[in-house]
Amino acid sequence: DAKTTQPPSMDCAEGRAANLPCNHSTISGNEYVYWYRQIHSQGPQYIIHGLKNNETNEMASLIITEDRKSSTLILPHATLRDTAVYYCIPTIQGAQKLVFGQGTRLTINP
Amino acid sequence: DAMVIQNPRYQVTQFGKPVTLSCSQTLNHNVMYWYQQKSSQAPKLLFHYYDKDFNNEADTPDNFQSRRPNTSFCFLDIRSPGLGDAAMYLCATSRDRGGYYEQYFGPGTRLTVT
Repeated sequence: DAKTTQPPSMDCAEGRAANLPCNHSTISGNEYVYWYRQIHSQGPQYIIHGLKNNETNEMASLIITEDRKSSTLILPHATLRDTAVYYCIPTIQGAQKLVFGQGTRLTINP
Repeated sequence: DAMVIQNPRYQVTQFGKPVTLSCSQTLNHNVMYWYQQKSSQAPKLLFHYYDKDFNNEADTPDNFQSRRPNTSFCFLDIRSPGLGDAAMYLCATSRDRGGYYEQYFGPGTRLTVT
């Protein structure tokens, strides 16, 4: 699995877009990029995943660079409930396992 | 609602006294996982079941065992808990959704070893 680099922490104002970067420069062609988050005292929660195209769902948007070496998770209108640790996890297509890195602790401020 | 249930939410055990943590699911997923998460660390996979096939991670201590008697239930047994085994234990489930596995996590069981 590709190694990832995420900033340890970020702050964002409530109502603004939160943009969380992830560097995965060693990603291979058959690795998806998954994003999960973990709100304090809860289990992790799936957010979104992508291979090479940008993706959007009801929770977030995922922008993957053309060379696939980095990606950005976008929470378009952050709320206080989005305060959590966000994990970027490259995973080989068809793999059942996730390997969590240290993630980014996102704090949404009122 | 379909979900992953972990019981108990909090478990206290004594040093060296065997303990079992339980996980059940109503999602009918064929894959079940156990993770260990220590304070301020990321979740770490201990093992997982693909149907009845058990897959142990190479660095999971022998002290940790698991059982999956049927699709819905999975147990984590810690044979002789040490102080270093105090952690949150997370159960998760998934199924093949066409080449990818979206994992659903339970709320976790926080284990304290005294």
